[in-house]
Amino acid sequence: DIQMTQSPSSLSASVGDRVTFTCRSSDNIRRYLNWYQQKPGQAPKLLIYDTSNLQSGVPSRFIGNGSGTDFTLTITSLQPEDFATYHCQQTFSTPPSNFGQGARLEI
Amino acid sequence: QVTLRESGPALVKPTQTLTLTCTFSGFSLRSSGTCVNWIRQAPGKALEWLALIDWDDDKYYTPSLKTRLAISKDTSNNQVVLTMTNMDPVDTGTYFCARSKGWYPYYHEFGLDVWGQGTTVTVSS
Repeated sequence: DIQMTQSPSSLSASVGDRVTFTCRSSDNIRRYLNWYQQKPGQAPKLLIYDTSNLQSGVPSRFIGNGSGTDFTLTITSLQPEDFATYHCQQTFSTPPSNFGQGARLEI
Repeated sequence: QVTLRESGPALVKPTQTLTLTCTFSGFSLRSSGTCVNWIRQAPGKALEWLALIDWDDDKYYTPSLKTRLAISKDTSNNQVVLTMTNMDPVDTGTYFCARSKGWYPYYHEFGLDVWGQGTTVTVSS
């Protein structure tokens, strides 16, 4: 199975900041990588699919990039509603479809 | 509007079998490329994909739990059922169902785009 590793596991930032999360796969997954946002007590919400495609309704301050084994999720100009946990998911070698361990964004 | 809702027992005893139902609306599991997935999350832990059933009744499971899981669909009633045998306290967590669209082997290429709210399951005697 392809393993996904996210870094950092948590990050503290302020409203207006620019932050970047990294997701690394154990094998080449080309651009088959999705990102989700999850707030406490809620289900995850799809943000980005295929590395860089914004899901409908997702603000343009969310930017995905990468290919192969290294991927990033950047949030430009953090808003209060962005403080949440972010998960990456590889979709190249599926099933099974593995997620990263999650990365928490704190105020 | 696409919605999914999970239902099932909140508490099960060790060694028992868990049966969860995902009831959905706004889409059909008869449509080519449509799938329903089950994902779980132990408290404070990562998401773990468990199983998928597609429009053609093909079924896939995460290898580590394959012997304990069974997924099925009732297309007429817009439901997908997941059973997990021999429950253990480590299986405690929130269980989600979610839709995806895609074709083998890229079932999740476009993401798990709509999720249910989740149902919490505690395994304890």
